Amino acid sequence: QSVLTQPPSVSGAPGQTVTISCTGSSSNIGAGYGVHWYQQLPGTAPKLLIYDTNNRPSGVPDRFSGSKSGTSVSLAITGLQAEDEADYYCQTFDTNQSGVLFGGGTTLTVL
Amino acid sequence: EVQVVQSGAEVKKPGESLKISCKASGFSFTTYWIGWFRQMPGKGLEWMGIIYPADSTTRYSPSFQGHVTMSADRSVTTAYLYWSSLRASDTAIYYCARKGDWFDPWGQGTLVTVSS
Repeated sequence: QSVLTQPPSVSGAPGQTVTISCTGSSSNIGAGYGVHWYQQLPGTAPKLLIYDTNNRPSGVPDRFSGSKSGTSVSLAITGLQAEDEADYYCQTFDTNQSGVLFGGGTTLTVL
Repeated sequence: EVQVVQSGAEVKKPGESLKISCKASGFSFTTYWIGWFRQMPGKGLEWMGIIYPADSTTRYSPSFQGHVTMSADRSVTTAYLYWSSLRASDTAIYYCARKGDWFDPWGQGTLVTVSS
């Protein structure tokens, strides 16, 4: 079980908005470490989607956004599209475990 | 173009050794860390460790310490992941990625299958 908790799955219809949460603790997200999101399309390698909570790399649509509150972060996807079907992972650093942490991943299904 | 390109798929028997590679290009190999990750079939991403090619400093996840060895060759801008004795449970896709404050870009992955 990951120290960063994500819902195993979320779903939404095309055009809708979905939110994926990532809950940590005072030794990781709450300690102020940067939190990043990765998108893994089926059969492909992960790709950086959001860095430092709410920043998009070049080429990532502004339908993707991030936010933070306390020891949790969230990824919001607006205007859902079929090509958004993927696994999404949050990632940060943890002082107790002295290393990189990933959430367990969330599978997004576009209905 | 900034990229890391990994070596091809491998099929090995339990107890055999294996070294897979991660070739970096388009950036200074000695000013970034390189991370390694495991993804077992149908499972999530697991961090294995990171290496700083400038001086080969390594940091291993406790879950992988002692079972794998990371190394780097600055002359060919390539990082490596080595097993001296594979187990069936090592069957997975292994990824490398450049690390600044986050991991980007990622390699395409190397599928390692360990089966008798």
